[in-house]
Amino acid sequence: GENVEQHPSTLSVQEGDSAVIKCTYSDSASNYFPWYKQELGKGPQLIIDIRSNVGEKKDQRIAVTLNKTAKHFSLHITETQPEDSAVYFCAASPTHTGNQFYFGTGTSLTVIP
Amino acid sequence: GAVVSQHPSWVICKSGTSVKIECRSLDFQATTMFWYRQFPKQSLMLMATSNEGSKATYEQGVEKDKFLINHASLTLSTLTVTSAHPEDSSFYICSARDRADSANEKLFFGSGTQLSVL
Repeated sequence: GENVEQHPSTLSVQEGDSAVIKCTYSDSASNYFPWYKQELGKGPQLIIDIRSNVGEKKDQRIAVTLNKTAKHFSLHITETQPEDSAVYFCAASPTHTGNQFYFGTGTSLTVIP
Repeated sequence: GAVVSQHPSWVICKSGTSVKIECRSLDFQATTMFWYRQFPKQSLMLMATSNEGSKATYEQGVEKDKFLINHASLTLSTLTVTSAHPEDSSFYICSARDRADSANEKLFFGSGTQLSVL
């Protein structure tokens, strides 16, 4: 089955700096890659997603890049703000599993004011 | 749009009692809902997939008689933790897919339920 690895597990950055979180996946049939932000005691919120036919997608300060050949995708947050502090999860969704989501292990991001 | 409401947000119960958690899609119809369990500082673990009008599909190792799932309508799925014990204490999260999403991709999550069994 699909295996998603996520790094780093924790990340601290100064306010205004950029943060990058990386994920790798194993199943070449995965074609949808969402990123979720989870604040303490809350459910995950979809912040950005990318499909396998696109290499990069940007939404204001957040961007995701995908390298299908290497089977890895990354989340980039620029000009970080304290409210960006949360746990971020990547996921991969292979079509042959009925689009079941396989989540990474999460990255706890702390933005230091 | 795409709001998933989950209740209660937290519940404390005595060992041996049953607890019901509700998951509603407020502004869309969800033919498929998913139930996850999450331990502190860990990722989401899929427990079961719930399809409207049919029996839920449970992941390996998840006791179907322990975690009863009902998906009676296109907007409501419930998870009942039967005869709860302290080891069932966890954060439970539901998610749903929009029936109108032809690509069948996006998942929207509820706000989670923190269950504490004394």
